[in-house]
Amino acid sequence: IAGITQAPTSQILAAGRRMTLRCTQDMRHNAMYWYRQDLGLGLRLIHYSNTAGTTGKGEVPDGYSVSRANTDDFPLTLASAVPSQTSVYFCASREDRYTGELFFGEGSRLTVL
Amino acid sequence: GEDVEQSLFLSVREGDSSVINCTYTDSSSTYLYWYKQEPGAGLQLLTYIFSNMDMKQDQRLTVLLNKKDKHLSLRIADTQTGDSAIYFCAESLQTGANNLFFGTGTRLTVIP
Repeated sequence: IAGITQAPTSQILAAGRRMTLRCTQDMRHNAMYWYRQDLGLGLRLIHYSNTAGTTGKGEVPDGYSVSRANTDDFPLTLASAVPSQTSVYFCASREDRYTGELFFGEGSRLTVL
Repeated sequence: GEDVEQSLFLSVREGDSSVINCTYTDSSSTYLYWYKQEPGAGLQLLTYIFSNMDMKQDQRLTVLLNKKDKHLSLRIADTQTGDSAIYFCAESLQTGANNLFFGTGTRLTVIP
């Protein structure tokens, strides 16, 4: 069982470039999330989707966009990367917005120079 | 938004008990979770407790919930070097479009 797959694992990016982090889950979960993890700040929610076709803004959405065209995929796009977006990004999913264990991907480490 | 707070660091000697604490502000939580993150990896669920419970024990892990004080703790008995990791508490609320909130994480270091 794959669970949640994120790609790429690691990426170095020049400032101003566009970047899409991919996230795919095979558990047919309705709810999906993107978090960034920074030292001393823990996990901060960027965007979420409670079901296919809907998305919502989290705590730190500026500079990021998401789409949820189907149940399995939830890509995160940085339209024009800036150094402050250097972070480790985690995709997560759970059965629905109210119940179930939250499953995490292995993370994508992004460095913006 | 919801505030979930944890201490950033904890060090214990191998074989001792570890107690990781968490406080939260919203009393409408349904589930409270403890996640473990090992270096270079994602978070994995350790245990969880329903908000109508006071305690849950699972092998070396004991979760205590004090709803009156909005305080959650995770006790690890006989702590081992493999327990060194970052531990996150998280709260799931009954309502709201975004209803899952994480603490900042506590880095547990086990000294041999």
